[in-house]
Amino acid sequence: DQQVKQNSPSLSVQEGRISILNCDYTNSMFDYFLWYKKYPAEGPTFLISISSIKDKNEDGRFTVFLNKSAKHLSLHIVPSQPGDSAVYFCAANRPFGNEKLTFGTGTRLTIIP
Amino acid sequence: DSGVTQTPKHLITATGQRVTLRCSPRSGDLSVYWYQQSLDQGLQFLIQYYNGEERAKGNILERFSAQQFPDLHSELNLSSLELGDSALYFCASSPQRQVSPNSPLHFGNGTRLTVT
Repeated sequence: DQQVKQNSPSLSVQEGRISILNCDYTNSMFDYFLWYKKYPAEGPTFLISISSIKDKNEDGRFTVFLNKSAKHLSLHIVPSQPGDSAVYFCAANRPFGNEKLTFGTGTRLTIIP
Repeated sequence: DSGVTQTPKHLITATGQRVTLRCSPRSGDLSVYWYQQSLDQGLQFLIQYYNGEERAKGNILERFSAQQFPDLHSELNLSSLELGDSALYFCASSPQRQVSPNSPLHFGNGTRLTVT
């Protein structure tokens, strides 16, 4: 059962434009969400997080939006830069039980110069 | 550099064999997590250790086992290997027992296991 879904395996965006990466989840018990970025031959690196009590969190060029009623979150990157080309993973955390992050399958973002 | 060290980077072995993957967490981190990433899949949680004790278990096969040593490094043992075990295996660490927005996981660069 894929509780965290990233339905777009890939996305191409022109340099300088906005990149929007989407993530849907099914478990209403998730209490916060994270985005990780992964370059080839490296491990995922933490990018930005958002608590379920907020609907927006911003850090420089990166903004994450959370729509709890739709069980949907998105990552906005503005403006997109060539160094943003990577695979982006959405992850969600449950506060109780088996304490682990549940990851989506990732979206490969390519920034076109 | 995340500070999490995984060895070896690559491992090629035959079906039926046994391998050991090693992870050194960031300095000061007490929790170690193991994840598996198969082709085009997300990261699947395998197991977590906190300060030497097993803390949480995910979709880890019975053929797989792990432990965390007193110096906090961890090893993941995979035995009776099958072709389907070919994957990237990531180790991650965090300072606390639980992941939190202020204490996200920090990942190593992974071990790529190929079973032939």
